[in-house]
Amino acid sequence: DQQVKQNSPSLSVQEGRISILNCDYTNSMFDYFLWYKKYPAEGPTFLISISSIKDKNEDGRFTVFLNKSAKHLSLHIVPSQPGDSAVYFCAASAQGGSEKLVFGKGTKLTVNP
Amino acid sequence: NAGVTQTPKFRILKIGQSMTLQCTQDMNHNYMYWYRQDPGMGLKLIYYSVGAGITDKGEVPNGYNVSRSTTEDFPLRLELAAPSQTSVYFCASRELGTEAFFGQGTRLTVV
Repeated sequence: DQQVKQNSPSLSVQEGRISILNCDYTNSMFDYFLWYKKYPAEGPTFLISISSIKDKNEDGRFTVFLNKSAKHLSLHIVPSQPGDSAVYFCAASAQGGSEKLVFGKGTKLTVNP
Repeated sequence: NAGVTQTPKFRILKIGQSMTLQCTQDMNHNYMYWYRQDPGMGLKLIYYSVGAGITDKGEVPNGYNVSRSTTEDFPLRLELAAPSQTSVYFCASRELGTEAFFGQGTRLTVV
């Protein structure tokens, strides 16, 4: 039972354009969501997070949107840069319940110069 | 600033052998996690711990054991290694409500 789903295995965009990565979740107890970036042969690194009390969080070129009613979140990268090419993982946890941090399968983003 | 340190970085095991993957963190985090990542797949939770002396199973615990005798260390034990355990293993730590910090990973091959 996959509780966090990233249905697009890959995404290709042109440098300077917007990248939109999507994530859906099924567990209504999840109230804290995170995005991680992973380069080959490295551990995942934290990008941005959002609590369920918000519907948007921005950090520089990265913005995460949360739609609780749809159980959907998205990561926007504007403008996209070739160095953003990596695998992006969505993760979720329930702060008031289980302390598990559950990850999706990831989306491989390629930003073409 | 060491963060989360995993050893070894690479290991080849023969079927039936056992080994311990080491993980230590210097951030005084209560929560620690072990994940495995298979090719083309996401991170699957093996075991996690909410503090010294407390551990619990994740999604894929079979074939593994853990212990948490100190806040800093969270070793993962593989008994009777099988080819299905060939994977990249990541350890992470966090405090509740904050981001998790990951180690660099251990690439394990069972032949």
